[in-house]
Amino acid sequence: GAVVSQHPSWVICKSGTSVKIECRSLDFQATTMFWYRQFPKQSLMLMATSNEGSKATYEQGVEKDKFLINHASLTLSTLTVTSAHPEDSSFYICSASWLGNTEAFFGQGTRLTVV
Amino acid sequence: QKEVEQNSGPLSVPEGAIASLNCTYSDRGSQSFFWYRQYSGKSPELIMFIYSNGDKEDGRFTAQLNKASQYVSLLIRDSQPSDSATYLCAVPGSSNTGKLIFGQGTTLQVKP
Repeated sequence: GAVVSQHPSWVICKSGTSVKIECRSLDFQATTMFWYRQFPKQSLMLMATSNEGSKATYEQGVEKDKFLINHASLTLSTLTVTSAHPEDSSFYICSASWLGNTEAFFGQGTRLTVV
Repeated sequence: QKEVEQNSGPLSVPEGAIASLNCTYSDRGSQSFFWYRQYSGKSPELIMFIYSNGDKEDGRFTAQLNKASQYVSLLIRDSQPSDSATYLCAVPGSSNTGKLIFGQGTTLQVKP
């Protein structure tokens, strides 16, 4: 099956710093990648849709200047949390798919803790 | 805005019993439906998807879809303690892109 790798699996950073999370499709070309955030005991909330070579589409209420998304190639998308604050601590999960496919393939997730 | 509703639970069943997980969705035009299992601290993993009305069976899992009632369910037969997890129902947010709208998930506890 299609494999998506997310890195790092966990990260601790100081308040005010930036953190980059990578999402790679290992055995397919991902025309579209998605970034989700999950707070404890809550469901996955879609943050943004990332299309290769174009600007990401952010969901309502998600600050695009705080959560920078880059999808420069068909196998890599990155999410940078800028000027992180403790309230940004969460589980961030990426998924990837290709045009014409309804199913999505998930990365392992990244646990971000901002102290 | 598409919505997916699930009872958050927890749903507690004894080992060996049938666990029944339910999901309703708001968009009558939804064509496909996904069930994911998520263990604590892990990413969701796909259990089943269903497109057609009726039942779809895969091992101990059966998905049931009723489009007229906008209702999809997941049955787990012979429940095992290892089935204890949160089960997420999802529908596509748009056609053929992989974008998913998730329900809040139902926590299942299977007691030995």
